[in-house]
Amino acid sequence: SQKIEQNSEALNIQEGKTATLTCNYTNYSPAYLQWYRQDPGRGPVFLLLIRENEKEKRKERLKVTFDTTLKQSLFHITASQPADSATYLCALDDGSGNTGKLIFGQGTTLQVKP
Amino acid sequence: KAGVTQTPRYLIKTRGQQVTLSCSPISGHRSVSWYQQTPGQGLQFLFEYFSETQRNKGNFPGRFSGRQFSNSRSEMNVSTLELGDSALYLCASSLGAVPEAFFGQGTRLTVV
Repeated sequence: SQKIEQNSEALNIQEGKTATLTCNYTNYSPAYLQWYRQDPGRGPVFLLLIRENEKEKRKERLKVTFDTTLKQSLFHITASQPADSATYLCALDDGSGNTGKLIFGQGTTLQVKP
Repeated sequence: KAGVTQTPRYLIKTRGQQVTLSCSPISGHRSVSWYQQTPGQGLQFLFEYFSETQRNKGNFPGRFSGRQFSNSRSEMNVSTLELGDSALYLCASSLGAVPEAFFGQGTRLTVV
């Protein structure tokens, strides 16, 4: 069955360092991969989308890579700040072309310490 | 532009009752998807509506149903509530042709 794994439930880093989060998937071929941020008690907020034919995408301090051979995405936050502390979710389409259905990983909770 | 609005924000219901949750998407968005979020299972897809038609469905029992109106507003209904239905229910809207989803704040349902 389709499976998405974010390899750590929690990640603690020092302010100013780069946070790297990993998302691995098995048993299907998504057309795109997305990253969302979720704060406690709130809905996820869209951050970045990368398509299967793209290797890397950047937005301000955020960078996403997508390796369809390894079936893996890396999400980087450079010069991290305490305000970046949140849960980060990766999400993929189910590979059938349905844009309205996302499959989410369990999330990685990032804690940035001052 | 206003975001996705979900009502109510919080609900407490008793086992066996039914509940209806509402979602108003971003203006111009024709796709509305519903998700259930629990600590154990994470975010799980319930169903998606596009132009008043259910376009996708997740693996949830028939007690979970939904509909979409001509103005794209959507409702989901859960009948015969069980304790395990306690969760944060999230609605997301999108343009339909592009996959970026915009989520509401969610409805926190507690079944006692």
